[in-house]
Amino acid sequence: DAGVTQSPTHLIKTRGQHVTLRCSPISGHKSVSWYQQVLGQGPQFIFQYYEKEERGRGNFPDRFSARQFPNYSSELNVNALLLGDSALYLCASSFREGEYNEQFFGPGTRLTVL
Amino acid sequence: GDSVTQMEGPVTLSEEAFLTINCTYTATGYPSLFWYVQYPGEGLQLLLKATKADDKGSNKGFEATYRKETTSFHLEKGSVQVSDSAVYFCALRSTGSARQLTFGSGTQLTVLP
Repeated sequence: DAGVTQSPTHLIKTRGQHVTLRCSPISGHKSVSWYQQVLGQGPQFIFQYYEKEERGRGNFPDRFSARQFPNYSSELNVNALLLGDSALYLCASSFREGEYNEQFFGPGTRLTVL
Repeated sequence: GDSVTQMEGPVTLSEEAFLTINCTYTATGYPSLFWYVQYPGEGLQLLLKATKADDKGSNKGFEATYRKETTSFHLEKGSVQVSDSAVYFCALRSTGSARQLTFGSGTQLTVLP
């Protein structure tokens, strides 16, 4: 069975540009979460979506937005990119939301902002 | 708020050495605790978990015990292998914010043959 997939693998943008990252959850999973992992640090929670509704938001500016589609795939959008947005962006899926539902992580999208 | 503090690395060991990576946490309520592993170029993989006090999570020779009295979840392995070289993250999921994982900063482990 396919795991969580993310695209693209790598991305290079310049300051001020916009970026869209994509995530396909494991088949049957209805919850998707996004995390930002800056080099040398642990992942930081950005968003969680369940059944196409936003269910949680971390401490990130409004430049960050996301959505979940009817097929449960998800997009993360970042506007007006800053150098500090350079990071590995991880998507995780789980069957449902809630503390007892294991999150399965994708390989991530490496974003570099120049 | 919730937080996880883990032993800073990098940690370098010889093959078959004993491993301990310390992890302590601050959280409201009774969180679930996790260890994740990240191999080079890959995403995070769940290594083990414990959902209540005194539970012991174990997998692939790794163990960690949920100690509520010391708010700790230290990772141990009796005999490490070169293939264990990776970054290890301690994480929690509290009952107050069950939708998200809170991670520590990670510990880089290198095992030399």
